[in-house]
Parts: sequence; structure tokens; C-alpha cells
Amino acid sequence: NAGVTQTPKFQVLKTGQSMTLQCAQDMNHNSMYWYRQDPGMGLRLIYYSASEGTTDKGEVPNGYNVSRLNKREFSLRLESAAPSQTSVYFCASTRLWEYEQYFGPGTRLTVT
Amino acid sequence: GESVGLHLPTLSVQEGDNSIINCAYSNSASDYFIWYKQESGKGPQFIIDIRSNMDKRQGQRVTVLLNKTVKHLSLQIAATQPGDSAVYFCAERETGRRALTFGSGTRLQVQP
Repeated sequence: NAGVTQTPKFQVLKTGQSMTLQCAQDMNHNSMYWYRQDPGMGLRLIYYSASEGTTDKGEVPNGYNVSRLNKREFSLRLESAAPSQTSVYFCASTRLWEYEQYFGPGTRLTVT
Repeated sequence: GESVGLHLPTLSVQEGDNSIINCAYSNSASDYFIWYKQESGKGPQFIIDIRSNMDKRQGQRVTVLLNKTVKHLSLQIAATQPGDSAVYFCAERETGRRALTFGSGTRLQVQP
């Protein structure tokens, strides 16, 4: 099993550009999550999907949209990137009724 | 790899010593706690978890202690090894919610 995979690993955007971060898991997990990690601030939840067909806002959803494409895939979209969105983005997943989250390797995004 | 926490508190220990990493939480409604290890350039990895009906749980070389009275969580690593060098995060889950709330992390440096 590959676990949780994320693409791309690195990305540089100009202010105002859009992009989609991709996440996929092959563990048949029900729930998926998107976090951002800034220096000294730990991980902050952007959006999550408790199950296929549902999405909910987390702590810092502004400027982002998500799509739970199917049980395996959960994408994060930045419609108009801003320098404040420079961060490392992690995707995670969990089994139903469990709380241990399995993380992907991250995407480092820089917005200039 | 990514710079995760340029200004994190740092614990420096000698190889072979025991390490204790502390975490304070503020939400008395949290009923599940988890420790993650994050190496440079990688996503967080699960170490150990504990539910609020317990005050101690042991794994391989690691022990988590929970003191609900003072809302304090600690991770003890026995016989610390160079491979334990990483940033360690505690996270908590509030009863009834799926998402975790992460602390800001502690960097562990193991001196050979």
C-alpha cells in the first residue's frame, strides 16, 4: 500500500493564480482531511470530509475549496492564491470510528 | 526538507538518556489524545494515543501520561536514539468531533 499520496511535492505560484492540490489514499479510509502547517504553529485544519459526499469547514477554510471526488481522492483548490497561503499542506485520512490520522508527505507551496 | 517550526521549543538530550516531552491542553471536553513524530521533509507519523478514561499507556520505548486535573499530557521516550530526533506534536479531539486540534510542537535533538 502506498498509504496517503500527495501531488505535487513543490509548487510556486504568483499572486492571483489558481491551482489544485491532489490527495489520494489506498487504505479504504472513510474520512479525509486537509491541514496547513506554518512555522511555529503546528497543523491547522482547513477542511475535512467525514465520508464520501460530505465536506465540512475546519479552523482556517477561507480562500480554499475542496472536492471529495470519490472515496479515495480529496482535492484542495486555491482559486486566487495569496502570499498568506504560503505554507506546507498535508492531507490525512482515518478509518471510520477511529481518530488516528495517517498523513501524506506534504506539498510545499510558495506564493510570490 | 520543509522548515517546520523555526521557533519551536527545543529539548536536547544525550543518546541513551530518557526524554520527556510535555504538552498542555485547554479543552476540558477533549476525550482523546495522540502524539505524532515529524521528521524533516515528511508528514507526521503516529506514535501513541490515549483516551481520557486512562492515565497511562505504554508502547515500545514510549509512554504517554495524561493528567486531566491539570490538563497535561507527556510523552516519555526511553533510551533515546539519534533516530528519535524530530518535531513532536500532541493533538486532542473534543468529544463529538472528528477533527484533531494540534499543538505547536517540540523539537527533540539527540546528541550522540
